[in-house]
Amino acid sequence: EVQLLESGGGLVQPGGSLRLSCAASGFTFSSYAMNWVRQAPGKGLEWVSVFSRSDDWTSYADSVKGRFAISRDNSKNTLYLQMSNLRAEDTAVYYCVKDGWLDYWGQGTLVTVSS
Amino acid sequence: DIQMTQSPSAMSASVGDRVTITCRASQGISNYLAWFQQKPGKVPKRLIYAASSLQSGVPSRFSGSGSGTEFSLTISSLQPEDFATYYCLQHNSYPYTFGQGTKLEIK
Repeated sequence: EVQLLESGGGLVQPGGSLRLSCAASGFTFSSYAMNWVRQAPGKGLEWVSVFSRSDDWTSYADSVKGRFAISRDNSKNTLYLQMSNLRAEDTAVYYCVKDGWLDYWGQGTLVTVSS
Repeated sequence: DIQMTQSPSAMSASVGDRVTITCRASQGISNYLAWFQQKPGKVPKRLIYAASSLQSGVPSRFSGSGSGTEFSLTISSLQPEDFATYYCLQHNSYPYTFGQGTKLEIK
């Protein structure tokens, strides 16, 4: 059974940093691209970033480019999202999502950016 | 970037009704289109992938169609558990983009 478990969310002040983690199990992690998708309170879904399954290729939404960094550790079956210079508009539930087809989603972790 | 225009943004319908939601892509995306259902406080659930393929375990009253730039999700006979928000997603090219969502409410 595919499982994705996010952690690392919480309350952070504007301009602060936070690192999210996503522990994956139930599939061959290294064989799949992995994404982060977020949802602000009461708003729609927004794709944030992807890390390819090989060749270390990454991509970001314009709204986070230069502030967020995605990475993965295939030996630990874990995906990360390092978030810096956080803004109030980054407040959202962050979901870890498997594959370019977005077939499996984690339960999400809430990030709140507020003073 | 590819823009996804989803309509309507909200609608009300009755149990048993046939409902169609549409998504238009700003450029061709072949069949790289998925539909998700989200209920309040829950994780989005994929219903349709590759524009018209039904996700395993999803009731057959859900169907998807389209290719290129025009897509639709149809629920043939609404059930009480179908009242939710629906999103389309293009995953033809990065950045992936979602439609703005359709909130389906009980009439």
